[in-house]
Amino acid sequence: EAQVTQNPRYLITVTGKKLTVTCSQNMNHEYMSWYRQDPGLGLRQIYYSMNVEVTDKGDVPEGYKVSRKEKRNFPLILESPSPNQTSLYFCASSSGLRNTEAFFGQGTRLTVV
Amino acid sequence: QKEVEQNSGPLSVPEGAIASLNCTYSDRGSQSFFWYRQYSGKSPELIMFIYSNGDKEDGRFTAQLNKASQYVSLLIRDSQPSDSATYLCAVNVGRNTPLVFGKGTRLSVIA
Repeated sequence: EAQVTQNPRYLITVTGKKLTVTCSQNMNHEYMSWYRQDPGLGLRQIYYSMNVEVTDKGDVPEGYKVSRKEKRNFPLILESPSPNQTSLYFCASSSGLRNTEAFFGQGTRLTVV
Repeated sequence: QKEVEQNSGPLSVPEGAIASLNCTYSDRGSQSFFWYRQYSGKSPELIMFIYSNGDKEDGRFTAQLNKASQYVSLLIRDSQPSDSATYLCAVNVGRNTPLVFGKGTRLSVIA
C-alpha cells in the first residue's frame, strides 16, 4: 500500500529539548515536503527536498532542520524547540517526474511547553 | 512569488444544495490543479485533479478550470453534512516544482 508514514503522531516536549519527527514514503517519490498547520493560517511549507541530498527552505524554515540522506526518508529536526513551534505537522511526498498529487502522512501534533 | 488564493469562509450551505468553492492562482504557467479535503486534525486527502480547461466530473464533485482567467473551482452537488470540512486548492507550476497550497476554504453543510 502506497503511504507516507510519520512518527510520532503526538508529542509533548519541553522547550530546548531536541527532537526529530520521522517521515518515510514507499512510493519512490523524488519530492518530499514538511508543512505546519496552524488555525487560520493554512498549510505553510517549512522545507522541501527535490531529491537525495537536495533540500530547500520553504516559507517558514526558522528553527527547523531537515536532511535527505535516502530517497524514502525526510526527517524534521527541531534543535531547540520553542512554544511557538507548537503546531500540527504534515509530511508529504510526490513524484517529480509527473505533475501528480502529493500524498500526506497522518500528521504529528507537537506541543512544546 | 507563486500564490494560490482562496476565500477562507466559512461557506455555509443547506443540505442538498450545491457548494461552490473558488481558487485563483498567480502563475500563468501553472499546469496541474488539485482539490484536497481536510477534516479537522486529519491529513488532507485528494478528491479531484484537473489539467485541462473545462469541467471534470467525478460523482458529486465537479472541478472547473479556466486558465485564461486563472481560476479553478470545485462544485459539490447534493451537499451532505459529511462534506463539512476545509477544502484546499493546490497548484503545480510544472515539473520539478512542489505544490503550492491555498489556505483553504471552510465549508459547513447545515442539515
